[in-house]
Parts: sequence; C-alpha cells; structure tokens
Amino acid sequence: AQTVTQSQPEMSVQEAETVTLSCTYDTSESDYYLFWYKQPPSRQMILVIRQEAYKQQNATENRFSVNFQKAAKSFSLKISDSQLGDAAMYFCAYRSNNYGGATNKLIFGTGTLLAVQP
Amino acid sequence: NAGVTQTPKFRILKIGQSMTLQCAQDMNHNYMYWYRQDPGMGLKLIYYSVGAGITDKGEVPNGYNVSRSTTEDFPLRLELAAPSQTSVYFCASSYPARGENIQYFGAGTRLSVL
Repeated sequence: AQTVTQSQPEMSVQEAETVTLSCTYDTSESDYYLFWYKQPPSRQMILVIRQEAYKQQNATENRFSVNFQKAAKSFSLKISDSQLGDAAMYFCAYRSNNYGGATNKLIFGTGTLLAVQP
Repeated sequence: NAGVTQTPKFRILKIGQSMTLQCAQDMNHNYMYWYRQDPGMGLKLIYYSVGAGITDKGEVPNGYNVSRSTTEDFPLRLELAAPSQTSVYFCASSYPARGENIQYFGAGTRLSVL
C-alpha cells in the first residue's frame, strides 16, 4: 500500500523569505500523481501544485515550485517570497494513475503547519 | 461558481443520534468522494462513487452509509453516532479520466459527537 510521510509537523518562515516543506512517499507503482494542497483556517482544501511522475521537469506555479526526486521518492514544496496569506496547513498527497475506482483516491500525509512571521 | 457545496458547516450530535451530511456539485463530475479528517491527521477516504447508482467503500467506511441517486448529490449518512465519529468531513468530486483527475473539495463539515 502507498504511504505519504511529512516529517515536519510545523515550520516557520519570515515574510519575503523562502521555505521548503518536505514530503516522502512509498509506492511500487511507476505511474502516479503527486499533489500539494493548502488548508487555511477556513478549512477549504486548495490545490497548490501537482506533478506527474513521468514528467522529469519540476512543476512550477508562480511562487510555488517542487523538487521531485522519483528515485528517492521525495516531493518537496518550495515557497518563494513568502506572504502572510501563505500561512496554512500544507498536505502532500499521492494518487495512482491507474484508471477507475478507489485507485483514484488521494492518500494524504499528516500535514505541515506553516507560520509566516511579519 | 458554486463548485462543491457541503451542508451543514457545523453540527453537534448526541451519542446514538443519526444525521445526513449533504454534498452537491455543479461541475457534472461523475466521481465523488467522502473523506474524514481527524485532528492532526490527513484525510482518509470513507466512501466514493463513480457515478449515479454506484458506490463503494473506502478505507474507513464503518458507521457510515452513502447513496448516489443523481450525478449532483452524494449524501453521507451517519447511523447511531459515536464519539469516534467526531471529525471534519470533506466531500470532493472529480472528472473520471486518466491524467490529472483533479479533486475539488467542499469547505467541510465539522461534526462533534458528545
């Protein structure tokens, strides 16, 4: 079974600085997606960025980028120029790319709570 | 754009009571999911549906039931509520195709069973 591990329960960053959140996963599959979701105090789950395992190029969305190391099964999130609105719980998630049924479920890590200091 | 709508946002139940958590989506997504999030944890799948009339169990289905009579709606039923069901419940939907198949989440329902 696949697992996702986030080893940093809490992180803190100064406004305008850069922070990296860690995520490792375990799977025997070769075809999958990885995601980072943001959960602010409102509880809404917001997709931040996604990465397909077959793509070697690391995904980037504005100030958010990932470092995807497939062999090491590592998927870290880098937030550049941190803003107060980035403060939230961040979840790493895995999804198999096999079509259909419960294989479409997301497997979540336990989250990293990010605080942004002004 | 409504997306995925969950009601109610908060609810307190007494042990043994029953209730239905409502979920509706207006994106014409065939796949719908129910997750629960316990304190300090990630989300775990309770039930999912691949289309109207088709549902199946996820990782933690005990104590819950679902139905899917329409594409839009996917209610979650709690029978005989127990303190272990105190959690935040999220509904999500997605389009069933290979590839990204992004799941869109509702705002959640916070449930306390006392």
